[in-house]
Amino acid sequence: AQTVTQSQPEMSVQEAETVTLSCTYDTSESNYYLFWYKQPPSRQMILVIRQEAYKQQNATENRFSVNFQKAAKSFSLKISDSQLGDTAMYFCAFMNYGGSQGNLIFGKGTKLSVKP
Amino acid sequence: NAGVTQTPKFQVLKTGQSMTLQCAQDMNHEYMSWYRQDPGMGLRLIHYSVGAGITDQGEVPNGYNVSRSTTEDFPLRLLSAAPSQTSVYFCASSYGLAEASAGELFFGEGSRLTVL
Repeated sequence: AQTVTQSQPEMSVQEAETVTLSCTYDTSESNYYLFWYKQPPSRQMILVIRQEAYKQQNATENRFSVNFQKAAKSFSLKISDSQLGDTAMYFCAFMNYGGSQGNLIFGKGTKLSVKP
Repeated sequence: NAGVTQTPKFQVLKTGQSMTLQCAQDMNHEYMSWYRQDPGMGLRLIHYSVGAGITDQGEVPNGYNVSRSTTEDFPLRLLSAAPSQTSVYFCASSYGLAEASAGELFFGEGSRLTVL
C-alpha cells in the first residue's frame, strides 16, 4: 500500500523569505502523480502543484516549485517570496497513474505560518 | 460559479442518530468522493464514485453509505452515528481521465459533524 509522510507538523517563515516543506512517499509503482494541496484557514482546499512521475523536470507554478527525487521517493515544496496569504495547511498527496480520480492518498499535513 | 456545495456546514448529532450530508457539483464531473479530516490524520477517503450508478469503498467506509443517482449529487449517509465519526467531512469532484487534469480535486467547504 502507498503511504505519504510529512515529517514537519508545523513550520513558520518570515514574509518574503523562502521555505521548503518536505514529503516522502512509499510505492512500488513506477507511474504515478504527486500533488501539493493548500488548505487556508477558510478550509476550502485547492491544488497548488502537480508532478507526473515520468517527467524528470520539476514542476513550477509561479512562486511554488517542487524538488522531485524519484529514486529517493522525495517530493518537497518550495515557496519563494512567502506572502501572508500562504499561511495554510499544506498536504502532500499521491495518486496511482490511471487510478480513479478521487483516490488520492494524503499525508498528515504541515501547518505553515507566514509572519509579517 | 457554485463549484462543489456541501450542506449542512455544521451538525450536532446524538449517538445512534442518522443523517445525510449533501454534496452537489455543477461542473459535470464524473468523479466524486468523500473524505474525512481528523486532527493529525490528514484526509482519508471514505467512498468514491466514478459515475452515476457506480460507487466503491475507500480507506474508511465503515458506518457510511453512499449512492449516486445523478452526476450532480453524491450524498453521504451516516446510518447510526458514533462519537468516532466526529470529524470534518469534505466532498470533492474531478474531471474524467484526461491527463491534464488528473488528480485535480475540487473541494467543498466542508461539513463539521459532532457526535455526542
